[in-house]
Amino acid sequence: QLQLQESGPGLVKPSETLSLTCTVSGDSISSNSYSWGWIRQPPGKGLEWIGSISYSGSTNYNSSLRSRVTISADTSKNHFSLTLSSVTAADTAVYYCARHGNTYDVMFDYWGQGTLVTVSS
Amino acid sequence: DIQMTQSPSAMSASVGDRVTITCRASQGITDHLAWFQQKPGEVPKRLIYAASSLQSGVPSRFSGSGSGTEFTLTISSLQPEDCATYYCLQHNNYPLTFGGGTKVEIK
Repeated sequence: QLQLQESGPGLVKPSETLSLTCTVSGDSISSNSYSWGWIRQPPGKGLEWIGSISYSGSTNYNSSLRSRVTISADTSKNHFSLTLSSVTAADTAVYYCARHGNTYDVMFDYWGQGTLVTVSS
Repeated sequence: DIQMTQSPSAMSASVGDRVTITCRASQGITDHLAWFQQKPGEVPKRLIYAASSLQSGVPSRFSGSGSGTEFTLTISSLQPEDCATYYCLQHNNYPLTFGGGTKVEIK
């Protein structure tokens, strides 16, 4: 059974960098045809896709966040990471990691439990 | 970027009612659309993929239809446990985009 688990600081100061890791168990993140994404949800608001990294290491990002976001992967640890720089209170959200890919059936079928990140001094 | 417009943003219906939620894409996305259900405090759960394919384990009262720019999620007979917010997601093009959500409540 595939499992994803987010980890990282729950509190980040304004202007600093948010860093989260998603550890995957039950499959390899370098398995062909999968991509691994980050989604966030500000309190009381909707879902926003942040970006994704494919099994080959190629990345795609949300247009509005592209200048501040980096997603990377460490296949030896079977995890992928999110960094978001210059954070403000507007970046306070529950951050989820999830699987998707090139075939319909794996499109966001597995999600992590989510981790709340609060931006505050 | 492809914009996904969901309607209504909120609705209230009675148990047993037929409920329809619409998602419109700003450009054609063929059938690259999924629907998710999110209950308060829970992780989003996929209900429908490829616009009309029912996720394994999801009750058959849920169905999806559409292609191109207009899509619908239908609950044929609303149940109390269906109180949730529903989101569509297009994955035809990057950047991926979610609809704004539809909150469904029981009258």
